[in-house]
Amino acid sequence: GENVEQHPSTLSVQEGDSAVIKCTYSDSASNYFPWYKQELGKRPQLIIDIRSNVGEKKDQRIAVTLNKTAKHFSLHITETQPEDSAVYFCAASWGSGGGADGLTFGKGTHLIIQP
Amino acid sequence: EPEVTQTPSHQVTQMGQEVILRCVPISNHLYFYWYRQILGQKVEFLVSFYNNEISEKSEIFDDQFSVERPDGSNFTLKIRSTKLEDSAMYFCASGKLSFGGGELFFGEGSRLTVL
Repeated sequence: GENVEQHPSTLSVQEGDSAVIKCTYSDSASNYFPWYKQELGKRPQLIIDIRSNVGEKKDQRIAVTLNKTAKHFSLHITETQPEDSAVYFCAASWGSGGGADGLTFGKGTHLIIQP
Repeated sequence: EPEVTQTPSHQVTQMGQEVILRCVPISNHLYFYWYRQILGQKVEFLVSFYNNEISEKSEIFDDQFSVERPDGSNFTLKIRSTKLEDSAMYFCASGKLSFGGGELFFGEGSRLTVL
């Protein structure tokens, strides 16, 4: 099955600086890589995703890069703000492809934005 | 904006009892999922459901668990003979398309506490 590793487990950055979270995956057949933000006690919410036919995607201050050869993908947040403080999970899809594929999540990164 | 809704928000049960967690996915979605998150840990895939049958399931989803879509709107997770280690937040999710096609929407979660 798919195995997703995520680093670091905790990341503290000064407000206004950039944050980078990295993930690796094991299944070369994975083709969908979402990133979720989870605030304390809340549901995970999708912030950005990327598919295997794309190397990079950007949405305002958030960007994701994918290296299929190396099987790693990264989340980049620029000009960080206090409201970016949360736990971020990366995920990779897996499955037979014939129906509802699953998502394997990384262990999460607790991002702390220091004022 | 349509949302995935889950009930109950919190359930406390005695070890060995059966619980049913209920979910109402977004109405035009075709793919349904259950995930769980033990406190402070990552989100773990349990099962996916499409076309009225289980599409994928993880090692966690053993004979103790079952899912059902009893009517056109509800999607339930039944946990038989609950154990202490079943205590977790259980998230239902739904999607319009399988991965590679669209976003997965999570409900607010049902917190299960087994005593």
